[in-house]
Amino acid sequence: AQTVTQSQPEMSVQEAETVTLSCTYDTSESDYYLFWYKQPPSRQMILVIRQEAYKQQNATENRFSVNFQKAAKSFSLKISDSQLGDAAMYFCALSRGNNDMRFGAGTRLTVKP
Amino acid sequence: NAGVTQTPKFQVLKTGQSMTLQCAQDMNHEYMSWYRQDPGMGLRLIHYSVGAGITDQGEVPNGYNVSRSTTEDFPLRLLSAAPSQTSVYFCASRRTSGMGGDTGELFFGEGSRLTVL
Repeated sequence: AQTVTQSQPEMSVQEAETVTLSCTYDTSESDYYLFWYKQPPSRQMILVIRQEAYKQQNATENRFSVNFQKAAKSFSLKISDSQLGDAAMYFCALSRGNNDMRFGAGTRLTVKP
Repeated sequence: NAGVTQTPKFQVLKTGQSMTLQCAQDMNHEYMSWYRQDPGMGLRLIHYSVGAGITDQGEVPNGYNVSRSTTEDFPLRLLSAAPSQTSVYFCASRRTSGMGGDTGELFFGEGSRLTVL
């Protein structure tokens, strides 16, 4: 079975500062994908960043980067230069490329002006 | 480019009523799925389909029915609604072949909020 754990139900950050959201997972597979999705108040699920487990290099998308520690089964998301528009629920997700993507419970991020 | 379209966006039902949530995608994705989102539990997979005529159960399939007669459409049916089915429902699709291959990324609809009284 694969599980995804987000231990921070809520986080807050000051505008322009940096924040890191934590995610740990468990899977017996060696090849899989990890994702961070953002859900703003509009409810739309938006892909933030994607990481392939076989790649050692951490993925980066503009102000968003990940710290992927395969041995520790950890996949944290770092948001630099936080903006008001970053306020949302963030979900960590694990997919083995089969038919079941597993999600964590989510972390609600508040950005303070 | 519509992507994944879900209807209705909101629905209120009484216990025991039936309804269908519609989902259509125009990206020619082979894989389609339904998730429900509940507070503190993230998104959980209800049913999925890897192509027309093929469906299978996910993590929480009880009380739901699906069919896949075309590549584009994947409706979710509640045969006898219960208050425990009050949730936000998401349809999602994924490309599993063709140019670029399968990246594992799910493309989501805007969600449907269902309340069962």
